[in-house]
Amino acid sequence: GQSLEQPSEVTAVEGAIVQINCTYQTSGFYGLSWYQQHDGGAPTFLSYNALDGLEETGRFSSFLSRSDSYGYLLLQELQMKDSASYFCAVPGGSQGNLIFGKGTKLSVKP
Amino acid sequence: GAGVSQSPSNKVTEKGKDVELRCDPISGHTALYWYRQSLGQGLEFLIYFQGNSAPDKSGLPSDRFSAERTGGSVSTLTIQRTQQEDSAVYLCASTTGGPSSYNEQFFGPGTRLTVL
Repeated sequence: GQSLEQPSEVTAVEGAIVQINCTYQTSGFYGLSWYQQHDGGAPTFLSYNALDGLEETGRFSSFLSRSDSYGYLLLQELQMKDSASYFCAVPGGSQGNLIFGKGTKLSVKP
Repeated sequence: GAGVSQSPSNKVTEKGKDVELRCDPISGHTALYWYRQSLGQGLEFLIYFQGNSAPDKSGLPSDRFSAERTGGSVSTLTIQRTQQEDSAVYLCASTTGGPSSYNEQFFGPGTRLTVL
């Protein structure tokens, strides 16, 4: 089967940098995605890595190592509005349905 | 442009009743996905549509769950004889289909279902 592991909670202060790790086990690999979900809100797409390396989008970066079945989301210059749950996800198969981790709840403190 | 919409936003029902949840995807998106999110959990895949057909129903938790899509657009998820364990947020997502589905999926705001 397929599974993803990520920490359940992370706390950091405003302006800091935080890294949220994700390890995965999949029968096939089509890429690793990250989604952000504020309480009561819809998940929104942050990033997608199909190849090894770092992808940067503003304050957010995502890294993938396929040989280690590992990725992380890096959030820089943390702001209060970054307090949310962050999910890593992999496609479950060729049809594109996503398999999600259980999410990491990030709390940003002043 | 308009995003994915879902209705109702909240639904409270009594155990044993049937409920119908609606998803209106982004115009032109051929692929549509239903997920379920229980409190504090990740998203659980339920069913996938490509156009009006559902090639993958493997995620439906029981035969009380069914879904259809008409006109390649609106989809309804029906839960018959609801049980308390069906209480969750039901999320719908759409994409243009194909490899783009591995990338960004666009989610609706969800329907929060509470079964008393």
